[in-house]
Amino acid sequence: DAGVTQSPTHLIKTRGQQVTLRCSPKSGHDTVSWYQQALGQGPQFIFQYYEEEERQRGNFPDRFSGHQFPNYSSELNVNALLLGDSALYLCASSLQDRDNEKLFFGSGTQLSVL
Amino acid sequence: AQSVSQHNHHVILSEAASLELGCNYSYGGTVNLFWYVQYPGQHLQLLLKYFSGDPLVKGIKGFEAEFIKSKFSFNLRKPSVQWSDTAEYFCAVNGHRTYKYIFGTGTRLKVLA
Repeated sequence: DAGVTQSPTHLIKTRGQQVTLRCSPKSGHDTVSWYQQALGQGPQFIFQYYEEEERQRGNFPDRFSGHQFPNYSSELNVNALLLGDSALYLCASSLQDRDNEKLFFGSGTQLSVL
Repeated sequence: AQSVSQHNHHVILSEAASLELGCNYSYGGTVNLFWYVQYPGQHLQLLLKYFSGDPLVKGIKGFEAEFIKSKFSFNLRKPSVQWSDTAEYFCAVNGHRTYKYIFGTGTRLKVLA
């Protein structure tokens, strides 16, 4: 049973560029959340997708956008990259069952902005 | 403001020592509480969770945590740590009406053999 897979594992970009990160959820999961983890910090919620819609958004600018596809996979797009966007980006999937919800995390994409 | 505080950033223990990692949260309303663990080279995984009921919850690998509502705390404990418990531990909270998890900054535990 495949867990959450993310690609690429590492990425180097320069300021002003755009980046797309990809996530395939755990088999059977229908909900995908994205988190940003800066060095020495805990993960910070970016947004969550369910039924191909952004269901909730954290305190991130509009430069951060996403998409969920019919097969539940998801993309995170970041435009006009800033040095401060350098971080580990984590995807987490879950099943829409609030009584027993838990997040399954991928290994993340390490983004470096130069 | 909604937040999670983990008091210890780095903890070093010898094998067989007892462990307690502190976690306090600030959040209005009913919450769910979690401890996640990240072993070296692995992804974050759930250690235990509290949704309701008995405030003492047991997780994998002999870990337990106690929810003390009056203190807004959810401390993680283990009576006797092993070298394999070396990892980073994150406390997290989410509200019953939100899908957003708020994580603490993590505690790096090193267990000496």
